[in-house]
Amino acid sequence: AQSVTQLGSHVSVSEGALVLLRCNYSSSVPPYLFWYVQYPNQGLQLLLKYTTGATLVKGINGFEAEFKKSETSFHLTKPSAHMSDAAEYFCAVSNQAGTALIFGKGTTLSVSS
Amino acid sequence: DTGVSQDPRHKITKRGQNVTFRCDPISEHNRLYWYRQTLGQGPEFLTYFQNEAQLEKSRLLSDRFSAERPKGSFSTLEIQRTEQGDSAMYLCASSSDPHNEQFFGPGTRLTVL
Repeated sequence: AQSVTQLGSHVSVSEGALVLLRCNYSSSVPPYLFWYVQYPNQGLQLLLKYTTGATLVKGINGFEAEFKKSETSFHLTKPSAHMSDAAEYFCAVSNQAGTALIFGKGTTLSVSS
Repeated sequence: DTGVSQDPRHKITKRGQNVTFRCDPISEHNRLYWYRQTLGQGPEFLTYFQNEAQLEKSRLLSDRFSAERPKGSFSTLEIQRTEQGDSAMYLCASSSDPHNEQFFGPGTRLTVL
């Protein structure tokens, strides 16, 4: 069975600091991996996705993630945090394109000035 | 195009009552998904449709839950004999083909008293 573990339910950074949100997955087949962001009272928005090909994936708002098969990881990074990045972030995996997404429990990112 | 819409946005009901939620996907999206999200957790997959065919159901979808997509456009999710444990945010998502991202609606928040 597939699963996702997000290390750290809450991450706090200062504005301008590096953002690192950790995600490890378990999958018996090559995974499809996703990061979604959820702002208060809004729906989930896709930040980036990995399906095949290049393991470093760039997304919206300056975020990127690297698929590391040997470490079963798909950590999300951003070089410089903005106040507007404060939100809940979810990592998700699926074993086949178009099927159910399995989400982690989420990480709340706080950004202080 | 206004994105995925869900109705109602909020529903308060008494235990034992039936409730029905509606999801309107993005026009021409042939895949539609339902998820449930409880406080402090990531979304959990319930079921998905390709056109009008229900292709997969989670074991979370007990016999009190039923979903339909009769004409391959909008979908309804009905919960019969609601229980307090059904209180959650019910999310709907749609996609245009298996390789595209799932676009999420704002959700319907259900409170069972």
